[in-house]
Order: sequence, then C-alpha cells, then structure tokens
Amino acid sequence: EVQMVESGGDLVQPGGSLRLSCAASGLIFSNYLMTWVRQAPGKGLEWVASINEDGSEKFYVDSVKGRFTISRDNAKNSLHLQMSSLRVEDTAVYHCARGHFDLHVWGQGTTVTVSS
Amino acid sequence: EIVMTQSPATLSVSPGERATLSCRASQSVSSSLAWYQQKPGQAPRLLIYAASTRATGIPARFSASGSGTEFTLTISSLQSEDFAVYYCQQYNNWPPITFGQGTRLEIK
Repeated sequence: EVQMVESGGDLVQPGGSLRLSCAASGLIFSNYLMTWVRQAPGKGLEWVASINEDGSEKFYVDSVKGRFTISRDNAKNSLHLQMSSLRVEDTAVYHCARGHFDLHVWGQGTTVTVSS
Repeated sequence: EIVMTQSPATLSVSPGERATLSCRASQSVSSSLAWYQQKPGQAPRLLIYAASTRATGIPARFSASGSGTEFTLTISSLQSEDFAVYYCQQYNNWPPITFGQGTRLEIK
C-alpha cells in the first residue's frame, strides 16, 4: 500500500521558518514527481510546489516563490518543504501528494499555524 | 492563470438520487482535468483524471465528461458515503495548477 506521512507542522511566528517532511512508502519514490498542496482553514485546495523525479526541476505558486524551497531525497524516500519568511496567510494544512498533474495519493497533512 | 469555477457551491440531493456537479475553466484545458472528493478531516481522494477516467478503486457510479472549458461530474445513485466536498483541478496550463473552489454535496 502506498502511504505518505507528513510531519514538521507547528505554530510559528510571522517571519519565522519551518521545514516540512513527507515520508513515502510502498512505491518506487524516485519514479514520481511529487507535489505539496495546502488548505487554509475552511478553504479550498491550493497547489504550492512540485518537483520532478530527480529534483532538477522545481515549480512554485507565485505567492511562495523566493520563500519556500521544495526538495527531495530519493535515497530516503522523502520530500521536504523548507518555508521561510512565513506569513499569517501561509496558515494551512500542508499535504504531500504523489504526482504533479493528477494527484493519485495524498498524505493526511501536517498543520502549519503562523500567528503572533 | 486559469480560473476554475464550480457550480453550485452547495448541492442538496437525497440518497439514491443522481447528482450533477459542474466545473468551468476560464480558458480551454483540453482534457487535463481531475476531480477529487474530500470528507471532513480527511485528505482529498482522486476520483477522475483526464476528464473522464476513473481512478483505481473508484465505483462505477462516478462518471465524468467534458473537454475544453466545460466539465461535469455525475454520481448516478448517491450513497451515504458520497456526501462530501468535490473539487475540480486543471493541469493543462501550468504553473500554476489550479483548483476550483469546491462543491459541497449535502444530504437533502
């Protein structure tokens, strides 16, 4: 069974930093593009970033460019999202998902709260 | 950026009846469209990709159609477990990949 388990979410002050991780199992991780999608409280889904199979290509939504960095470690089957200069509007549940276009497998998410 | 608009925002349907959800793109996305189901406190689940292809394990009562800018998700006979929020998503013109705002399917 394919599983994605996110971790690293926390309460952080505006301007702070946080690193999210996603541990993948049950799949050949290096074969897949990977994506982060977030969901603000009571709101819809927002694509955040994607990374290709070997990590050489990365894509971001405009609102996080220059602040967030997506990366992966294929040897450890893990995906990461380094977040800096966090804003109140970054408050959300962050899901990792397998794929870049149609997202076939999702993790349950980790909660990031940005508040003073 | 392609804007995805779903209608209605909320749909009230009785169990056993048919539900039809709509999704419109601000410009053509060809058949690069997916549908997701999300229940409270759960991760989204992929239902449909490539506009009309059911994902693995999705029951046949879920069907979808459309291309270009107009898309439809139909649930033929609603079961209790189908009441949830449904999102469409385009992946034809990216970045960014964009989602609709969701349709809440509730029990009438």
